[in-house]
Parts: sequence; C-alpha cells; structure tokens
Amino acid sequence: KAGVTQTPRYLIKTRGQQVTLSCSPISGHRSVSWYQQTPGQGLQFLFEYFSETQRNKGNFPGRFSGRQFSNSRSEMNVSTLELGDSALYLCASSVVLASDTQYFGPGTRLTVL
Amino acid sequence: KNQVEQSPQSLIILEGKNCTLQCNYTVSPFSNLRWYKQDTGRGPVSLTIMTFSENTKSNGRYTATLDADTKQSSLHITASQLSDSASYICVVSAVKNSGYALNFGKGTSLLVTP
Repeated sequence: KAGVTQTPRYLIKTRGQQVTLSCSPISGHRSVSWYQQTPGQGLQFLFEYFSETQRNKGNFPGRFSGRQFSNSRSEMNVSTLELGDSALYLCASSVVLASDTQYFGPGTRLTVL
Repeated sequence: KNQVEQSPQSLIILEGKNCTLQCNYTVSPFSNLRWYKQDTGRGPVSLTIMTFSENTKSNGRYTATLDADTKQSSLHITASQLSDSASYICVVSAVKNSGYALNFGKGTSLLVTP
C-alpha cells in the first residue's frame, strides 16, 4: 500500500505570495492532519480534516487554510507569506481519528525569501 | 510554558548501549501519549501510542512506559543501532469539548556513534 505523498517536496516563495501544498493520504484513510515544523517551535498542529470537514484546528492565523476533497486528498493554502512561514509542512493520515495511529508524509520544505 | 517537556534535549551514545528518553507533561484531561521517531529529512514515524490504562508498550527494541499519576513517560531503547540516530518526539493528546488537542514536545535528538 502506498504511503502518504506530499507535493511539491520543496518550494521557494517570496514574502506576500501565496502557496498551495497537496497531500494524498494512504488509501482508505479518511482523516488528514497538517503540521508545521520549525527548529525553534518543533511540531505544531495546524488543522485536521475528515470527510471534507475541518474537525479540529490549531492556533494559527487565518492566513493558513485547508480543504479536503471527496477522495480524501487534502490541500493547505498559506496566503500573504511571511518570512516566519518558512518551515517543513507535514501531512499525516489516519483511518478515522487523528488520535489513532498517524502516518506521516515526507513533508514539503517551504522557504520564504 | 510548554505542556510537554522532553529531556535530554540531545544525547550521544555508543552503538550497542541502552538509553532512556524522558517526557513530562502537564496536559489534562489526558487522552493518549505517543512517541514518534523522526529521521533527518523525513516525516515522523509512530513508535507507540498509550492510553491512560496502559503503563508499558513495546515495539521491537523500543519500550515506552507511562505513569499517568506523575504524568511522566519514558522511551527506552535497547541495544542501540546506528539507525536509531534520529529525533524522538513525545506527543500528548488531551480531550477538549470540540474533540482533542495535541501537545508536542520539542524532541530529543539522539546520535548513536560506532
């Protein structure tokens, strides 16, 4: 069974731009969660989607948004990029609940210049 | 203050030796605690997940313990291998009205040397 895939793997943007990241969960998994990881803050939870609905949300500004499609694939969008948004963005999928065992993708490395 | 504190921040051990990583938390009400291993440049991989009623769980050479009374967990690695070099992250899930909240430790960076 294929693992969680994320595209693109690397991205360079400039301040003020917006970016869309994509995540394809493991087949049969319906929960998709997004995380931001930085050296200073570690892993931080962004949001979780289940059946196309946002089920849980972390403490990030509204510039961070996401959505999930009927095939469970998910996208996250960051608008008006800031230098501090440079990070590794990880997607994780689980069968039903994010509190179940999660399987992470390799991440998208975003650099904001 | 972070509700999940991990120690040590970094650790260097010789191949073949054992080591123990610590995770102390103040998260409440507790739902479950997970340990992840993250290799450089990769996403985290789940090692164990423990609920309130479990006090020990093993995954190969990895054994996690949980003391819900003192709010402490440890991850013991037996007979370390070079491939154990990674960051180990403790995540504590808390119940909240709208579902749950995940609280992350900042990780322990382990280096296993020949």
